[in-house]
Amino acid sequence: EPEVTQTPSHQVTQMGQEVILRCVPISNHLYFYWYRQILGQKVEFLVSFYNNEISEKSEIFDDQFSVERPDGSNFTLKIRSTKLEDSAMYFCASSGRAGTGVMNEQFFGPGTRLTVL
Amino acid sequence: QKEVEQNSGPLSVPEGAIASLNCTYSDRGSQSFFWYRQYSGKSPELIMFIYSNGDKEDGRFTAQLNKASQYVSLLIRDSQPSDSATYLCAAEMNRDDKIIFGKGTRLHILP
Repeated sequence: EPEVTQTPSHQVTQMGQEVILRCVPISNHLYFYWYRQILGQKVEFLVSFYNNEISEKSEIFDDQFSVERPDGSNFTLKIRSTKLEDSAMYFCASSGRAGTGVMNEQFFGPGTRLTVL
Repeated sequence: QKEVEQNSGPLSVPEGAIASLNCTYSDRGSQSFFWYRQYSGKSPELIMFIYSNGDKEDGRFTAQLNKASQYVSLLIRDSQPSDSATYLCAAEMNRDDKIIFGKGTRLHILP
């Protein structure tokens, strides 16, 4: 069964450094998302992406964050200058099977645990 | 502010019994509702989705939606120890829109 994959599984970085989190969504999906979950807290929406542009972003997704779909398969989240409070699990999700009219569930990848020291 | 509210639990249920998980949502415009299961340290795994009032059954799981009361529930029949996890209720305004998650209910199935 197709699934969303994410790399790396764990990233440790120093405060102020740039990180890039990578995701490969399910191949025939059209909508891509990043969520994060701080330890012990709820899953929070960051950004959605469709047709090569951001369709919606949350207040969390400030100028330090950016997303890109550099090719036909990868979807990346960049944090330009990491802060301690960016430490969290980051989940990529995808949905929206091309050519169908049925309900489009969001499927989540395994996550990247980001630790900012 | 769009919110999805859940009792954090833990909810303890004997093995073989029915587990009942509930959630309410604040935005009356929400269209679709999801139940995800999340094991500790893992990602959310989709269990059920529902968008019409009433019940939807899939194996041991039944999702129930009451849009007038803005209430969603998940019933798990014949509960197994492997069902012990945090169950996340989530709401979506439009198809392929962002999902708003509740904080989750921790479910513990007692062997």
